Amino acid sequence: EDKVVQSPLSLVVHEGDTVTLNCSYEVTNFRSLLWYKQEKKAPTFLFMLTSSGIEKKSGRLSSILDKKELFSILNITATQTGDSAIYLCAPKTGDDKIIFGKGTRLHILP
Amino acid sequence: NAGVMQNPRHLVRRRGQEARLRCSPVKGHSHVYWYRQLPEEGLKFMVYLQKENIIDESGMPKERFSAEFPKEGPSILRIQQVVRGDSAAYFCASSPRTGTTDTQYFGPGTRLTVL
Repeated sequence: EDKVVQSPLSLVVHEGDTVTLNCSYEVTNFRSLLWYKQEKKAPTFLFMLTSSGIEKKSGRLSSILDKKELFSILNITATQTGDSAIYLCAPKTGDDKIIFGKGTRLHILP
Repeated sequence: NAGVMQNPRHLVRRRGQEARLRCSPVKGHSHVYWYRQLPEEGLKFMVYLQKENIIDESGMPKERFSAEFPKEGPSILRIQQVVRGDSAAYFCASSPRTGTTDTQYFGPGTRLTVL
């Protein structure tokens, strides 16, 4: 059965701190891995990773995939209160199914 | 520049009633996906549809749930004889075509409450 495990489940840090969110997966017919940010509405797309070892960056966020060890990390540097959200890791299969983890609930204290 | 539209945003039903959830994909997108998010849980895949076809319904409960994506009009997720356990947020996503390079764009969700 396909499995996605995110850790930690929740995290509270102070503004300005750097955080690392982890995602490990076991998925048959793996094609790519997506990261989403979910606030009080629908998830919004952050990154799609298809190749190992290539870091993707967007401002203070970055992410990398290790297809051999079956995990990905999402880094956020210089966190701000607006980064408070649930971050979802979601492997995508070759038949276009996305399997979501339970997410990491991140809370940034001012 | 409309994204995925879902309506209603909030739906309240009594046990035994029917719930109909609508999803209009991004203009030009022909692939629609439905997900359910139970309280304190991640999103779970339910069904994947293309126009007039169900491609993958492996995540749909066997009874009471059905989905369609007609040639014209929105995709509909239908839940018959709702029970309290159906209370959840239901998200629809769309993509333009199949392929690893296409991400899915999510709608705002419909929050179903069953009394």
